[in-house]
Amino acid sequence: KAGVTQTPRYLIKTRGQQVTLSCSPISGHRSVSWYQQTPGQGLQFLFEYFSETQRNKGNFPGRFSGRQFSNSRSEMNVSTLELGDSALYLCASSEYLLGGGELFFGEGSRLTVL
Amino acid sequence: KQEVTQIPAALSVPEGENLVLNCSFTDSAIYNLQWFRQDPGKGLTSLLLIQSSQREQTSGRLNASLDKSSGRSTLYIAASQPGDSATYLCAVSPLNDNYGQNFVFGPGTRLSVLP
Repeated sequence: KAGVTQTPRYLIKTRGQQVTLSCSPISGHRSVSWYQQTPGQGLQFLFEYFSETQRNKGNFPGRFSGRQFSNSRSEMNVSTLELGDSALYLCASSEYLLGGGELFFGEGSRLTVL
Repeated sequence: KQEVTQIPAALSVPEGENLVLNCSFTDSAIYNLQWFRQDPGKGLTSLLLIQSSQREQTSGRLNASLDKSSGRSTLYIAASQPGDSATYLCAVSPLNDNYGQNFVFGPGTRLSVLP
């Protein structure tokens, strides 16, 4: 069974640009969550999607958005990039919503904003 | 507010030692507690999931226990190996969905096992 796949693995952008990250969950999993990880803040929850609907959202500005498709694949978008957006962005999938099931993570997308 | 702490923040041990990592959480109303390991620059790998009705789970050299009433979990690693060197994180899923997120993570314990 394939794991969680994230693309791209690495990317470099400049301030003001926008970026889209993609996540394919484990087959059969309908919940996809996104996290931002930085050395100073640790793992911070961005949002969770389940059956194409956003179910939870963390404390991030509106520049951070996401969506989920009918096949459960998810994308997250960050617009008007800032230097502080440089981070490892992690996607996790689960069978169940709201922490009711085990979380499985992808390898992450490392974003550098110059 | 659910907060998760982990002690110690870093640990260095010689190969072969048994060791214990600690995780504490402030709200005992949880669905699950999950332990992960993370290698530098990589994603998180799930180690063990303990459901709220369980007291412990075992996988190979790993054993995790859960005491919901005291808000504590421990991860026991037997006969540590250099390959166990990584950061270990615990996370809890709150029963109260007003927390607005599925899992709350601790800051992690950075483990180094010396050959």
